[in-house]
Amino acid sequence: NFMLTQPHSVSESPGKTVTISCTGSSGHIASNFVQWYQQRPGSAPTIVIYDDNRRASGVPDRFSGSIDSPSNSASLTISRLKTEDEAEYYCQSFDSENLHVVFGGGTKLTVL
Amino acid sequence: EVQLVESGGGLEQPGRSLRLSCVASGFNFEEYAMQWVRQVPGKGLEWVSGINWNSDTIGYADSVKGRFTISRDNAKNLLNLQMNSLKPEDTALYYCAKTNKNNYEHYIDVWGKGTTVTVSS
Repeated sequence: NFMLTQPHSVSESPGKTVTISCTGSSGHIASNFVQWYQQRPGSAPTIVIYDDNRRASGVPDRFSGSIDSPSNSASLTISRLKTEDEAEYYCQSFDSENLHVVFGGGTKLTVL
Repeated sequence: EVQLVESGGGLEQPGRSLRLSCVASGFNFEEYAMQWVRQVPGKGLEWVSGINWNSDTIGYADSVKGRFTISRDNAKNLLNLQMNSLKPEDTALYYCAKTNKNNYEHYIDVWGKGTTVTVSS
């Protein structure tokens, strides 16, 4: 089955830029859209990026998404980091062969 | 206001059954696909099941296939998850989630607050 792999954690300082990767286990990650969700402790996830690179309503333009087909990976980039960006981030896509929604394991972003 | 409210969680013994429900409001329920996603406290998100707007396409995670059944009643704005043959590893917070289009391959734009299922003897 198709899987998405994310780094367990990343950290960066306020004002800097961080990129979180999401690598597909097989096939072409560009075959289906990739989404990114943010989850703060005690809250349900919220959509940040959908359809690879489209920002959800209300999400600042500091957040951007991209696909790199040669590496079969997607990335979430957050620039001008703020302490409020500290959260868990999950990538998500769709396994068309098995009709499964797939989540990455999540990446804990620490802004310090 | 768009809202999803889950219910039906609780403590149940291994091998028994539970039925989760999710009542939707604030949007035209029958037009959108719905999903169940679960999360063990402190762990990641795990997709459980999805159902298209008219129930013609349904999918299950391998971990629950054959034990869980998703269904919807568009007349009642209701999403259900029948959970049979429960296992301790089914213990999690279960989120009801709305997909932004009529099939569940698209992104989730609304999440409920979740209902907790605990499977233990």
